[in-house]
Amino acid sequence: KQEVTQIPAALSVPEGENLVLNCSFTDSAIYNLQWFRQDPGKGLTSLLLIQSSQREQTSGRLNASLDKSSGRSTLYIAASQPGDSATYLCAVPKAAGNKLTFGGGTRVLVKP
Amino acid sequence: EAQVTQNPRYLITVTGKKLTVTCSQNMNHEYMSWYRQDPGLGLRQIYYSMNVEVTDKGDVPEGYKVSRKEKRNFPLILESPSPNQTSLYFCASSLDSFNNSPLHFGNGTRLTVT
Repeated sequence: KQEVTQIPAALSVPEGENLVLNCSFTDSAIYNLQWFRQDPGKGLTSLLLIQSSQREQTSGRLNASLDKSSGRSTLYIAASQPGDSATYLCAVPKAAGNKLTFGGGTRVLVKP
Repeated sequence: EAQVTQNPRYLITVTGKKLTVTCSQNMNHEYMSWYRQDPGLGLRQIYYSMNVEVTDKGDVPEGYKVSRKEKRNFPLILESPSPNQTSLYFCASSLDSFNNSPLHFGNGTRLTVT
């Protein structure tokens, strides 16, 4: 059974500092890995999707890396801003199906 | 505007009274799914659908039903709600059935069963 873990559960940084968010998974046979952002009381917004054959994916200040062999993905957010405050979740589908398993999320607070 | 629309946003009901939460997407997506989010348990998949008339159980399907008669709609039905189904529910969709495209989420339905 796939288990997805995100540590730490919460993170507080001053504005301008780079953010490093971790996601680990137990079964390396993943189809892809997605990073999401969730604002309080809202749905999730997809940030980045990394295919299993890719090593990283970039979008603006966001960069996500994927190391399947070690079961890890890292989301980097450069030059953090107060608007980056949110909960960040990663999720992986099984290779042979479509069940998505989510991590518990990392709640980020960027202080002005 | 491309979106996933859930209704209602908030719902308070009593044990045993059947209810339906609607979900509709306007992006011609093949894949749709329902999740519930609970403190300490995270997001868990209830049911998913890879296309019209094709549905399958997720990790926590007990007490729920779904149908996919049209591509755009994927309602979640609680035949006899119980207090342990009090939760925040999300509907999501993606373009294809193989998770090669990002998931789009609705804004959620907060359900309270007393």
